[in-house]
Amino acid sequence: DAGVIQSPRHEVTEMGQEVTLRCKPISGHDYLFWYRQTMMRGLELLIYFNNNVPIDDSGMPEDRFSAKMPNASFSTLKIQPSEPRDSAVYFCASSPQGAGGYTFGSGTRLTVV
Amino acid sequence: AQSVTQLGSHVSVSEGALVLLRCNYSSSVPPYLFWYVQYPNQGLQLLLKYTTGATLVKGINGFEAEFKKSETSFHLTKPSAHMSDAAEYFCAVSRLSGNTPLVFGKGTRLSVIA
Repeated sequence: DAGVIQSPRHEVTEMGQEVTLRCKPISGHDYLFWYRQTMMRGLELLIYFNNNVPIDDSGMPEDRFSAKMPNASFSTLKIQPSEPRDSAVYFCASSPQGAGGYTFGSGTRLTVV
Repeated sequence: AQSVTQLGSHVSVSEGALVLLRCNYSSSVPPYLFWYVQYPNQGLQLLLKYTTGATLVKGINGFEAEFKKSETSFHLTKPSAHMSDAAEYFCAVSRLSGNTPLVFGKGTRLSVIA
C-alpha cells in the first residue's frame, strides 16, 4: 500500500496565480479530508468528503478556495487567486468506514511570494 | 463543540527519562481520542487511539495513553525516552467516530537531550 499520495511536495508561486494541489487517497477509504497547517493556527480542517461527496466545507477560508473529488481515487484543492497568507502546509488524509483514525499524506508546502 | 488543549508547546527530556505529554479535551459526547506524531517534513502518523473499552491504550514505539473521563484527560506517556522520539505530537478528538473530522490540539514539540 503506497499510502496517501500528495503532489507536488513543494510549490512556490507568485501572488495572483492559480495553485492546484492533488491527492490520491488509499484505495477503499471512503472519507477524504483536507487540512492546512500553519505555525499560528495549527491544523485546520478545510473540507471533507464522504464517498466523493463534499460533506462540510465550512473551513474553507474564502471563495478563492475550492475542492473537488471527481472519483474515489483523486481529489484536488485549488486556490485562485493565491495570496501570501495562503502559504502553509496542506495535508490530505483518508479514512475507511468504521476504522477510526486517519492516514495522512506527506503534505504540500505552499509558498506564495 | 469539541476541543483539545495540549499543555506545553515544548517539552524537553533527557534520554532515558519519562515522557509525559498532556492533553485535555472538551466534548459534549463520549469522545474518540487520538495521538499523532509528526516528524520534520512529514505527515502525521497515528500513535494510538481510544474509542471504547479499556482506558489504558498502548500504541507504537512504546507509547501509551490513559483515558480519564473524570479529568477529561488523555495524557501520553513513555517510560524511557529515545533520541528518535524527538518530534511534534498532536492530540485529537473526534466527535462521534473516527470518521468524523478530527479536531487537533496545537501540538507539543518533544526534544530529547543526550
